[in-house]
Amino acid sequence: VQLVQSGAEVKKPGASVTVSCKVSGYTFTSYVFHWVRQAPGQRLEWLGWINADNGNTKYSQKFQGRVTITRDTSTSTAYMELSSLRSEDTAVYYCARMYTDALDVWGPGTTVTVSS
Amino acid sequence: EIVLTQSPGTLSLSAGERATLSCRASQSVNSNYLAWYQQKPGQAPRLLIYGASTRATGIPDRFSGSGSGTDFTLTISRLGPEDFAVYYCQQYRNSPLTFGGGTKVEIK
Repeated sequence: VQLVQSGAEVKKPGASVTVSCKVSGYTFTSYVFHWVRQAPGQRLEWLGWINADNGNTKYSQKFQGRVTITRDTSTSTAYMELSSLRSEDTAVYYCARMYTDALDVWGPGTTVTVSS
Repeated sequence: EIVLTQSPGTLSLSAGERATLSCRASQSVNSNYLAWYQQKPGQAPRLLIYGASTRATGIPDRFSGSGSGTDFTLTISRLGPEDFAVYYCQQYRNSPLTFGGGTKVEIK
């Protein structure tokens, strides 16, 4: 059971970033996948989730309008796009599988740096 | 939004000692929706406990969770050298999913 995330990104303010999360070792469409971020020295912060089976999504109100989570069932990959980036979006972004209302498998994280 | 407050912020203990970590919610959380994670520097969080008291796969029995309503506790009965880390509680009773601010367990 493994979640493999895309590599580190450096973006300018106002740009968008897309982070991918490729799933292997189990049936992708059987689960819901969440995206969580952690800014330096800060607590974990939830962005939203996607049901890999039907594509339904739910987003944190804080990021509504800026975050889009999608999936590609043919490649067992989930994606998180965050737009209108600002310096406060500098963080490590994680994807994680939900099981029994907890996040039981996590990706290694993708560092996104927003800097002019 | 349910706010989770963890205490203490830092716990300084020696290997072999007992650690007791607290997580208090701003409103009642169904026990089914309370989890605990361990995070070491440079690593992703690791699920320890879900449903307030059920150990995740492969988690040693020195880790135990308890509590209900608004007050939850993670206990590490005898600290091993690998247990020095930051611990977070998390709820999903209500959206948004939220995490506590973490308790750092450090070597005394």
